[in-house]
Parts: sequence; C-alpha cells; structure tokens
Amino acid sequence: DQQVKQNSPSLSVQEGRISILNCDYTNSMFDYFLWYKKYPAEGPTFLISISSIKDKNEDGRFTVFLNKSAKHLSLHIVPSQPGDSAVYFCAASAGTYKYIFGTGTRLKVLA
Amino acid sequence: GAGVSQSPRYKVAKRGQDVALRCDPISGHVSLFWYQQALGQGPEFLTYFQNEAQLDKSGLPSDRFFAERPEGSVSTLKIQRTQQEDSAVYLCASSLAEGLGTASYEQYFGPGTRLTVT
Repeated sequence: DQQVKQNSPSLSVQEGRISILNCDYTNSMFDYFLWYKKYPAEGPTFLISISSIKDKNEDGRFTVFLNKSAKHLSLHIVPSQPGDSAVYFCAASAGTYKYIFGTGTRLKVLA
Repeated sequence: GAGVSQSPRYKVAKRGQDVALRCDPISGHVSLFWYQQALGQGPEFLTYFQNEAQLDKSGLPSDRFFAERPEGSVSTLKIQRTQQEDSAVYLCASSLAEGLGTASYEQYFGPGTRLTVT
C-alpha cells in the first residue's frame, strides 16, 4: 500500500525551463512534507519542506506547492540547471520522525 | 567531513552469512535512523534511536535484523543469515531532534551501504 506516490519515474527538461515534479499521497494524517534530492552513490540530501498549514514554500529556485484537498504536492524548479539532474524523492510525515518516501522521479536537465 | 558516514560502502555476502553495517552520525545528533532502499524504491524506515535507546523498531523486516547504538553515537545494523531479499542499500540518517514531534527537523543521510546477497 503506497501512501506516497510519484507516478512519473523520469522527466527530461531543457536547461533554463521549469521542472515540475509531482507527488500524491493517500494518508490524510500527513502534515509535513519534504523533498530530497539524490545523486548517484550519495545519500539523499534535504531540499525543501512544507507544513500542512501552508500551501506554498519557496527557497531560491525551488518552490513546493501543497494542495491538501487533492492530496497533491509539487516541486517547481525554475530555471532548471544541468546540476539539478538527480533523483527526487517526496516524503511525508504524520507529525513524527517516521518519513514515508515515494519511489522517486529521475530528473534529467538537458544542456 | 562533518557528515554522516557509513561503512562498508559495498558488501557482498553469500546467502546465510551474517553482516554488520556501521553508521557514524553527525557529532551531537541525538536521533539516528536506519532505512532500507530496494532497487527502484524509496527509502523505507527500519528503526529509530534516541541516544542509545532504540525507541522504534517497527520497520525491521524480521528477527534476523538487529540494530544497536550502545554509547549513543555509532550504530551498527546487523543482519543474520542473509537472504537474497535482503539485497538493498541500507541508509543511515541522523538528526538533532529528539522525541516524537520531530518531523520538522532535517534528517541528514549517509551515502549508504549497498548489500548484495548471492
């Protein structure tokens, strides 16, 4: 039973354009959401998070949007850069340390 | 560096062998987590330590899996009588936070140990 779903296993975007990565969840108890980025042979690194009391959080080129009624969040990267090429994991928590991760989306930014 | 380190980075074990995977968290981090990441999947929670106390082991898949953190710093994940389905990347993460309501404290991940059971 996948509580956090990333339905697009991969995405290719031209450098300078917007990358939009999507994530859906099923558990209405989730109240904190995170995005992690992972390069090959490295551990995931934290990118950005959002609490359920907000619908948007921005950090530089990265913005996360949360639509609670749709149980959907998205990560926007603008403008996309070749160094953004990585696997992106969405994760959710029901107020505790226990993160539930999606299966990841591999982003490739083409120069 | 000051990050989370794990050793070995790669481990090949014959089915039935025991393995021990080590994690050195960031100094001063109270919380330590182990995750298992199978191929093509996201990390899955295995267990959580607050200092030396193992407060949650609900994610351990069987009693062949055992984790310890005796002095509240370095942790070891041990897998006894390895099976092919144990093949995965084992990730360790640490966090400054303690207690249940720690979702908003970032978990810092190590590079993982890739275990292959043949």
